[in-house]
Amino acid sequence: SQKIEQNSEALNIQEGKTATLTCNYTNYSPAYLQWYRQDPGRGPVFLLLIRENEKEKRKERLKVTFDTTLKQSLFHITASQPADSATYLCALDVGNFNKFYFGSGTKLNVKP
Amino acid sequence: EAGVAQSPRYKIIEKRQSVAFWCNPISGHATLYWYQQILGQGPKLLIQFQNNGVVDDSQLPKDRFSAERLKGVDSTLKIQPAKLEDSAVYLCASSSGVTASSYNEQFFGPGTRLTVL
Repeated sequence: SQKIEQNSEALNIQEGKTATLTCNYTNYSPAYLQWYRQDPGRGPVFLLLIRENEKEKRKERLKVTFDTTLKQSLFHITASQPADSATYLCALDVGNFNKFYFGSGTKLNVKP
Repeated sequence: EAGVAQSPRYKIIEKRQSVAFWCNPISGHATLYWYQQILGQGPKLLIQFQNNGVVDDSQLPKDRFSAERLKGVDSTLKIQPAKLEDSAVYLCASSSGVTASSYNEQFFGPGTRLTVL
């Protein structure tokens, strides 16, 4: 069956450290992948997009990698801050006119 | 630029009752999505519109859920009759993409939290 897996356990890190979140998928061949941030009681907010022919994408303290062989994307937040605490979702383009499937999200807790 | 608007923000109903949600996407956005997000899970796509036509509704429980997007702008999602398992947040999103390779981000509304008792 088709799956998009994100670590369901919360990730707890200390302020200033690098947070690394994982998105694994099976049985898809996405043309691109997106990462979103979701705060409690709010809708997801777009962060980054990476295409299948891109290995790495950066935006300020954020970095995303995309390994189509491993079927995995990694999302990094460097110099993490308590304000980065949120749930992070990956979304895969499933190849039908901008149709997306989301992972279940990983909650990040950055402690001061 | 105004964001995606949704109403109501909260709704509590009894099972077997009907409920409707409204979404106003960002002006000019061709694609509109409705997602269901159950607590602790990621958003699940229910239906996707391109202008006023349905692109995908493969995960929409059509025996009880219906959606429309008249004139390619606002959209409504209806549940009739509601079940206990429909308790969730219903998110509306829009994007400007008009082609399959637009690589467009989605802009989400705040969602409607539905509780079915």
